Amino acid sequence: DVKVTQSSRYLVKRTGEKVFLECVQDMDHENMFWYRQDPGLGLRLIYFSYDVKMKEKGDIPEGYSVSREKKERFSLILESASTNQTSMYLCASSPRIRGREAFFGQGTRLTVV
Amino acid sequence: GQQVMQIPQYQHVQEGEDFTTYCNSSTTLSNIQWYKQRPGGHPVFLIQLVKSGEVKKQKRLTFQFGEAKKNSSLHITATQTTDVGTYFCAGHGNQFYFGTGTSLTVIP
Repeated sequence: DVKVTQSSRYLVKRTGEKVFLECVQDMDHENMFWYRQDPGLGLRLIYFSYDVKMKEKGDIPEGYSVSREKKERFSLILESASTNQTSMYLCASSPRIRGREAFFGQGTRLTVV
Repeated sequence: GQQVMQIPQYQHVQEGEDFTTYCNSSTTLSNIQWYKQRPGGHPVFLIQLVKSGEVKKQKRLTFQFGEAKKNSSLHITATQTTDVGTYFCAGHGNQFYFGTGTSLTVIP
């Protein structure tokens, strides 16, 4: 059974903290993605990576950075958490070949207080 | 950048009624995928359409890809409470361009 695993299901952090969200996939996928999901706004792409050490900005990269040191792991970093980053964060992976679907992790609900 | 819009944003139906969500892209899509997210869950892939005018069925669900490959629809016949969730379309290029989603509530 294919798996994308996010390190935390729920997280509460204080304003100004540095926050790490971890994502691991076991399908040997080249592509990995970080989205945030907010009511009425759908899934908005923060960053994606198509290879180790490679990254591309998505639609809303401000306030975030990413790291991909190993193929199976893609980390999202909030440099200095703010209350407007309270959201559901979803990690996904897919093979490099076009036409294949994305597999999502279970999501991390982050609350910044 | 590429934009994919979905309507309606929310839909409440009585159990047994039909439901349709529409997806429109600002550019031509090479393919379109549909995902379902159950309440409290994560998006799960349903189907992919590739050809212009393509129609695919999964039991009570019918998926269509427009002739110009810029729009798509998902139609559910005789909704059931198990259909509750948010339905997303996604264009697929170097990345996935997700629509805004349609949240379906089915009233028993």
